Amino acid sequence: AQTVTQSQPEMSVQEAETVTLSCTYDTSENNYYLFWYKQPPSRQMILVIRQEAYKQQNATENRFSVNFQKAAKSFSLKISDSQLGDTAMYFCAFMKPFRAMFSGGYNKLIFGAGTRLAVHP
Amino acid sequence: DVKVTQSSRYLVKRTGEKVFLECVQDMDHENMFWYRQDPGLGLRLIYFSYDVKMKEKGDIPEGYSVSREKKERFSLILESASTNQTSMYLCASSPGLAGASNTGELFFGEGSRLTVL
Repeated sequence: AQTVTQSQPEMSVQEAETVTLSCTYDTSENNYYLFWYKQPPSRQMILVIRQEAYKQQNATENRFSVNFQKAAKSFSLKISDSQLGDTAMYFCAFMKPFRAMFSGGYNKLIFGAGTRLAVHP
Repeated sequence: DVKVTQSSRYLVKRTGEKVFLECVQDMDHENMFWYRQDPGLGLRLIYFSYDVKMKEKGDIPEGYSVSREKKERFSLILESASTNQTSMYLCASSPGLAGASNTGELFFGEGSRLTVL
C-alpha cells in the first residue's frame, strides 16, 4: 500500500525568506502523480503544485517549486520569498496513475499528516 | 471557478443523534469524495462516488454511509453519532476519467467541523 510521510509537524519562517517542507512516499508504482495542497486557516484547501512522476523536470508555480527525487521517493516543497499569506497547513499527496484504477475513473489521493507553516513578519 | 459548498461549517450534536452533512458542487463533476481530517493523521477517505447512485468505501467507512441521488450532491450520514466522530469533514469533487480537464486535482469545500458531545 502507498504511504505518504511528512516528518515536520510544524515549521516557521520569517517573511521574505525561503522554507522547504519535506515529504517522502512509498510505492511500487513507476508512474504516478504527486501534489502539494495548501489549507489556510478556516479556508478551503487548494492545490499548490502538481508533479507527474514520468517528468524529470521539477514543477514550479511562481514562488513555489518542488525537488522531486524519484529514486529516493522524496518530494519536497520550496517556498521562496515567503509571505504572510503562505501561513497554512500544507499537505503532500500521492495518486496512482489513472490506468491503474478500475472502472469509474476516480482519482483517489493518499495524503500525508500535514505540516503547519507559520510565516512571521 | 469550481465551487464546492458544504451546508454547515460548524455542528454540535449529541451522542446517538443522526447527522447529515451535505455537499454540493457546481461544475458537473463525476467524482465526489468525503474525507475526515484529524490532527497528525492528515486526510483519510471515508467514501467516494464516481457516478449518481454509485458509491465505494474508502479507508475508514465504519460508522458512516453516503447518498448520491443527484450528480451535484453528495451527502455523508452518521446514523448514530459517537464522540470519536468529532472531527473536520471535507468534501471534494473532480472530473471523471474521461474528462480532458482531469489533472488529478481535487476541489475542496471549506469543511464542516462536527463536535459530538
